[in-house]
Amino acid sequence: KAGVTQTPRYLIKTRGQQVTLSCSPISGHRSVSWYQQTPGQGLQFLFEYFSETQRNKGNFPGRFSGRQFSNSRSEMNVSTLELGDSALYLCASSLRGEGAFFGQGTRLTVV
Amino acid sequence: AQTVTQSQPEMSVQEAETVTLSCTYDTSESDYYLFWYKQPPSRQMILVIRQEAYKQQNATENRFSVNFQKAAKSFSLKISDSQLGDAAMYFCAYRSEWTGANNLFFGTGTRLTVIP
Repeated sequence: KAGVTQTPRYLIKTRGQQVTLSCSPISGHRSVSWYQQTPGQGLQFLFEYFSETQRNKGNFPGRFSGRQFSNSRSEMNVSTLELGDSALYLCASSLRGEGAFFGQGTRLTVV
Repeated sequence: AQTVTQSQPEMSVQEAETVTLSCTYDTSESDYYLFWYKQPPSRQMILVIRQEAYKQQNATENRFSVNFQKAAKSFSLKISDSQLGDAAMYFCAYRSEWTGANNLFFGTGTRLTVIP
């Protein structure tokens, strides 16, 4: 069974640009969550999608958005990038009663 | 909001020895899950072990076991017969069973070094 796949693995963007990250969950998992990991703030929850609907949202500005498609694949978008958005972005897929399974992450660097 | 605290930023252990990582959490809920995740230098978060709050029996996965004290809101991870491959950041995490959502609340992590 394939794991969670995140693309791209690495990304370098300029301030003011926007970026889209992709996540393909484990087959059969309908819940996809996104997390931001930075040395200063640690692991912070961005949002969760379940059956194409945003079910839960963390405390991030509106520049951070996401969506989920009918095949459960999810995308995360960050508009008007700031230097502080440089981070490792992790995607996780879940089934109730089990833990969350993470992808390898996308390392975003904003210059 | 739920909070998870890991008070040991760094720990070290000799290869083949046993080490215990600490975690406490704060919640008013009675139904929840607790997890330990490992993040090696590759940065991928790997699920090590999970514990349902309604189960009194401590979870065990091979060399990994937990000491779950619900009343004390404590959830420590014991690694037996430590191996070089156990070196990583370890994160304790909480997930509510009340909300139906799957988001995790993480602690700040403990960096484990394994000394050959």
